[in-house]
Amino acid sequence: EDQVTQSPEALRLQEGESSSLNCSYTVSGLRGLFWYRQDPGKGPEFLFTLYSAGEEKEKERLKATLTKKESFLHITAPKPEDSATYLCAVQARGSGNTGKLIFGQGTTLQVKP
Amino acid sequence: KAGVTQTPRYLIKTRGQQVTLSCSPISGHRSVSWYQQTPGQGLQFLFEYFSETQRNKGNFPGRFSGRQFSNSRSEMNVSTLELGDSALYLCASSLQVATEAFFGQGTRLTVV
Repeated sequence: EDQVTQSPEALRLQEGESSSLNCSYTVSGLRGLFWYRQDPGKGPEFLFTLYSAGEEKEKERLKATLTKKESFLHITAPKPEDSATYLCAVQARGSGNTGKLIFGQGTTLQVKP
Repeated sequence: KAGVTQTPRYLIKTRGQQVTLSCSPISGHRSVSWYQQTPGQGLQFLFEYFSETQRNKGNFPGRFSGRQFSNSRSEMNVSTLELGDSALYLCASSLQVATEAFFGQGTRLTVV
C-alpha cells in the first residue's frame, strides 16, 4: 500500500536555528513528490516538486532533496514567518494516469524569535 | 492570475441534510481534484476530474459525489450528512493530470 510518513510531528526552533524535516515514502513507482506549506485555516500552498533521486530545489530559506526512499526539507536560518505545517505528498505510477496525491500527516513548525 | 476559488468558505448544516460545494480552478487548468482534511485523518483524496470525466475516486461512501462542467468548474455534493463529515474540503487544480496541484482556501463544513 502506498504510504507517506513525516517526522517529526512537531518541531520548535529558535530564529536562525537550521533544521530538516523528513518525509519517508513507500509507493508502487514514484511519479513525483510534492512539498506544501499550510497556514492555519488556509489551503496548502505549493512549494516544490521533485521527480527523481538526487534532485534538489531551493526557494529562499527552503531546500528540498529527494532519495529513493525519502525526501528532506531543509530550513536554513528560519524566521518566525516560516512557522506553518509542512506537508509532503506523493503521486504514484501505480495509480494510473491520475494526479491523486497521497499525503503525510505533516510537520508543524514553530519558529520563536 | 486568480487562484483556485472555493465557495462558500464556511457552512453549517444539520445531520441528514445535503450540501453542494463549488470550485473554480485556475484559468486554463483542466484537472480538478477534491480532498477532505480532518485533524485525525489528515488530507484524504476524494475524486479527480479531467475534461468532465471522473478519472479517479478515493475510498469514500457513495454519499460523496462530484462533477465537472465544460468550463472546468467543479462541484462536489454530500448527501445525508453525518457528524463525521465535518471537515475542511479542499479543491485543487492542475494544468493537466499529474502535474503540480494548486489548492484553494477550502470550505469549512460543520455538521451539527
